[in-house]
Amino acid sequence: ETGVTQSPTHLIKTRGQQVTLRCSSQSGHNTVSWYQQALGQGPQFIFQYYREEENGRGNFPPRFSGLQFPNYSSELNVNALELDDSALYLCASSRDGGLNQPQHFGDGTRLSIL
Amino acid sequence: ILNVEQSPQSLHVQEGDSTNFTCSFPSSNFYALHWYRWETAKSPEALFVMTLNGDEKKKGRISATLNTKEGYSYLYIKGSQPEDSATYLCASNTNAGKSTFGDGTTLTVKP
Repeated sequence: ETGVTQSPTHLIKTRGQQVTLRCSSQSGHNTVSWYQQALGQGPQFIFQYYREEENGRGNFPPRFSGLQFPNYSSELNVNALELDDSALYLCASSRDGGLNQPQHFGDGTRLSIL
Repeated sequence: ILNVEQSPQSLHVQEGDSTNFTCSFPSSNFYALHWYRWETAKSPEALFVMTLNGDEKKKGRISATLNTKEGYSYLYIKGSQPEDSATYLCASNTNAGKSTFGDGTTLTVKP
């Protein structure tokens, strides 16, 4: 059983640029959630995709957008990067909307904005 | 309670001690409560998912309880071992599909 994989592992960008982060879900999982984790804080929910549709969104501006593909892999896109976007971005997959299913996390992408 | 709150923020115990932490969450629109263990340099690992008031779950020396009416969950670790050292996160899911994590309790178990 293949676990959740995220790419890239680390990324350095400058303010105003755009970034795309990728996540491959665990086999058999059709739901992907994205989180932003700043140092010393818990993960903050960005949004969730279930069967290629957005299925819940946290308090993040529209410049945070996403996609889920037919194979249930997912992308997180962030436009007009700001210094505060520097964080660890975690992806988690689960079955069937994931509300009462355990989530399986990837190792994250560490994004640094200069 | 408007957000998910965990206490204490950190905890240092001796090997063999039993310990417990608290997760408080909004009881309105509650759907499920998740507990995760996050070890340094690894990804968060799911421990428990609980949905019903009065639920109790157990996995080895770790157990959890849930009170959805008053909005809290307890995580217990019996006979702590150094390998239990990690940050323990709880997350509350609403029936609108929103997931809110607490900031975690960092446990350090000294040999």
